[in-house]
Amino acid sequence: NAGVTQTPKFQVLKTGQSMTLQCAQDMNHNSMYWYRQDPGMGLRLIYYSASEGTTDKGEVPNGYNVSRLNKREFSLRLESAAPSQTSVYFCASSEEVAGLSYEQYFGPGTRLTVT
Amino acid sequence: AQKITQTQPGMFVQEKEAVTLDCTYDTSDPSYGLFWYKQPSSGEMIFLIYQGSYDQQNATEGRYSLNFQKARKSANLVISASQLGDSAMYFCAITRGYNKLIFGAGTRLAVHP
Repeated sequence: NAGVTQTPKFQVLKTGQSMTLQCAQDMNHNSMYWYRQDPGMGLRLIYYSASEGTTDKGEVPNGYNVSRLNKREFSLRLESAAPSQTSVYFCASSEEVAGLSYEQYFGPGTRLTVT
Repeated sequence: AQKITQTQPGMFVQEKEAVTLDCTYDTSDPSYGLFWYKQPSSGEMIFLIYQGSYDQQNATEGRYSLNFQKARKSANLVISASQLGDSAMYFCAITRGYNKLIFGAGTRLAVHP
């Protein structure tokens, strides 16, 4: 099992460019998440998807869109990148037991720089 | 709203000694979960331990234990017999709603030989 995979690992964008970060999990989890981590800070939730076909905003959704393509894949799109979106982006997934989610499994992260 | 506070930006410990990393939280949810994650310098997030708010006993996972004091709203991580490989950032997190996580700012632990 690969767990949670993310592509690309590194990306440099110019202000105004767009890009999509890809995430896939092979653990048959229902829930998937996108976080960002700025230097010296903890992770902040951008968007999450509790199940295929549903998505909801997290703490910091502005400037991002997401797509839950199927149960395995959850993508994050930056339509018009800004320097404030320079960050490390983590995708995660989790399973539910009796309606509660427990451990989230994280991908290796994507380091994005916007110049 | 949920909030996690980690008051120790940095800690150091001698190899083979125990260390406690502090975490206090605030939540209005009647049921919640508390997590600790480790982030080494390579950047990945590694799950360490979980405590449910209704769990009667403190969680333990190998050298990791969680000192859960519900009335004080604290969930401190105890690492016993520290190893050099324990040097990393450590994040405490709490569930918001049924599956969203709110993270603290983290504590950087340095283990000295």
